[in-house]
Amino acid sequence: SQTIHQWPATLVQPVGSPLSLECTVEGTSNPNLYWYRQAAGRGLQLLFYSVGIGQISSEVPQNLSASRPQDRQFILSSKKLLLSDSGFYLCAWSFRDRVREQFFGPGTRLTVL
Amino acid sequence: GQQLNQSPQSMFIQEGEDVSMNCTSSSIFNTWLWYKQEPGEGPVLLIALYKAGELTSNGRLTAQFGITRKDSFLNISASIPSDVGIYFCAGHGGSQGNLIFGKGTKLSVKP
Repeated sequence: SQTIHQWPATLVQPVGSPLSLECTVEGTSNPNLYWYRQAAGRGLQLLFYSVGIGQISSEVPQNLSASRPQDRQFILSSKKLLLSDSGFYLCAWSFRDRVREQFFGPGTRLTVL
Repeated sequence: GQQLNQSPQSMFIQEGEDVSMNCTSSSIFNTWLWYKQEPGEGPVLLIALYKAGELTSNGRLTAQFGITRKDSFLNISASIPSDVGIYFCAGHGGSQGNLIFGKGTKLSVKP
């Protein structure tokens, strides 16, 4: 069976500091990978998705970037965090040929002070 | 762009009652999904619907893909305290990675 991991689970960072959130998937190969942000209003906003190593599509231009250095690893980064970057960050995966069903990780709670 | 309207925003019900929530869209979707999210965790996929008119059950949960392909509903029968959480609908319009989420229905169940 497939599992998805995210770390850290929680993070408190000062404004202007860098960010690196990691997501890994086990039990499958060539997954599609996604980063979402969930703000206090509960909606999920798609930030980035990737269909393969080094292939990143950005849905919303912003202070964040994503990278996929390995098939089952997806990283969300920022060079300088803003207060508005606070939120709950969710990584998700789907099978390459079943992109409509996405499975989420446990999330990372980021607080920028 | 595509948007989903999910209602109600919140529900407070007594244990044992049935629950109904729905999502509507201004445009057509090819797939409807229903997720449940508990506090501090990621959403968990409950039901996926792929055809207009499709009715699918998962235990006490039943969801339907509207005939017009612009709406879907989720019913929970005989609610129990562990049903508490936020339920999200999501629609897929066909493009790669483009899953659109509703804002969620927060369900509270009083024992």
